[in-house]
Amino acid sequence: AQSVTQPDIHITVSEGASLELRCNYSYGATPYLFWYVQSPGQGLQLLLKYFSGDTLVQGIKGFEAEFKRSQSSFNLRKPSVHWSDAAEYFCAVAFPNRDDKIIFGKGTRLHILP
Amino acid sequence: DAGVTQSPTHLIKTRGQQVTLRCSPKSGHDTVSWYQQALGQGPQFIFQYYEEEERQRGNFPDRFSGHQFPNYSSELNVNALLLGDSALYLCASRKTSSSYEQYFGPGTRLTVT
Repeated sequence: AQSVTQPDIHITVSEGASLELRCNYSYGATPYLFWYVQSPGQGLQLLLKYFSGDTLVQGIKGFEAEFKRSQSSFNLRKPSVHWSDAAEYFCAVAFPNRDDKIIFGKGTRLHILP
Repeated sequence: DAGVTQSPTHLIKTRGQQVTLRCSPKSGHDTVSWYQQALGQGPQFIFQYYEEEERQRGNFPDRFSGHQFPNYSSELNVNALLLGDSALYLCASRKTSSSYEQYFGPGTRLTVT
């Protein structure tokens, strides 16, 4: 079935440690790819997006993501996390040539240890 | 420049009632989409409005309806509320003619009792 998979429901890292959140998609075509962050009680903020071109994309707040076509993956990374990074992270895809909706994964909750 | 705004912030309704949620898109944006985010889930697409018409619809029953006004603001209406309609309802806007990127509002938390 077509889907966006975030295999980790919860991840806990220590402040200052590196972070990688995983995302895989299962669609025939390569979609537009996004990572969003949602703090408790807040809406969604776009961290970064990939449409085409360079497969390593830089986003806000020091985040980056790498698109790997062979693995149908778009993993999010940050070299050193801060306590303020604790939030829910959503990977998402879209197919603008087909329709306009964004399809989200179920999210990964990031916890930061002091 | 105000981003996407939504009202009300929170809402409590009883089963069987009807509710209207409102959204004002980011300045310059003409397309509005609505998403439902149940607790512990990712947002799910409800429908999208452009030029005051529903252009696309997700897998939601007809109890969910909407409207877009000439100033591009939008309403989401839900009739005959069920307990399962309790969720965070997110509005997103974009400018159709520009690069594909949607901006989300803070959401309306609907609780059905």
